[in-house]
Amino acid sequence: ELKVEQNPLFLSMQEGKNYTIYCNYSTTSDRLYWYRQDPGKSLESLFVLLSNGAVKQEGRLMASLDTKARLSTLHITAAVHDLSATYFCAVKSGGNYGQNFVFGPGTRLSVLP
Amino acid sequence: EPEVTQTPSHQVTQMGQEVILRCVPISNHLYFYWYRQILGQKVEFLVSFYNNEISEKSEIFDDQFSVERPDGSNFTLKIRSTKLEDSAMYFCASSEQPPHKGEGEQYFGPGTRLTVT
Repeated sequence: ELKVEQNPLFLSMQEGKNYTIYCNYSTTSDRLYWYRQDPGKSLESLFVLLSNGAVKQEGRLMASLDTKARLSTLHITAAVHDLSATYFCAVKSGGNYGQNFVFGPGTRLSVLP
Repeated sequence: EPEVTQTPSHQVTQMGQEVILRCVPISNHLYFYWYRQILGQKVEFLVSFYNNEISEKSEIFDDQFSVERPDGSNFTLKIRSTKLEDSAMYFCASSEQPPHKGEGEQYFGPGTRLTVT
């Protein structure tokens, strides 16, 4: 059974600081997704990481994937208040039609002025 | 910009009643999904759908649940006899490509909050 963990679960950080959210998963998977969810809102796709060593960046967020370590990181650079949200990673398990997505528990990020 | 829409935004129903949640995926997307999120908790995959049939389903998606694409635009989730524990936010999503091809990026609708009393 595929399990996905995130840490930390809660993160309170000062504006301007850097921090990393970690996503570990338990079985082989070939792609990993990061989503953002604002309170009371839907999920917004941030990154799709397709292969070992993949790195993607958008603004102050950078995501990477190490399939050998079964680890993805979401790095926040010089945080701003607008980044406050819950961040989920999700892993797709199974083969071609194993479209079963397993989400991590989420990391609730609060960026303080 | 195209987006996934869902109706209703909030549905209140009594235990044992049937509910149908509706979704209109992005028009050129062929792969459709339902997820649920119990308040404040993690997102759970329910089912994926392609070419008028279920591609994958989770253990949550038991005989009480069914999905249908009744016409060219709507994608529905039916819960036959609702239970208190079905109370959650239900999200529909769609993608242009299957998850195992390209990025398979999913676009989510705003959700339907289902409250079972």
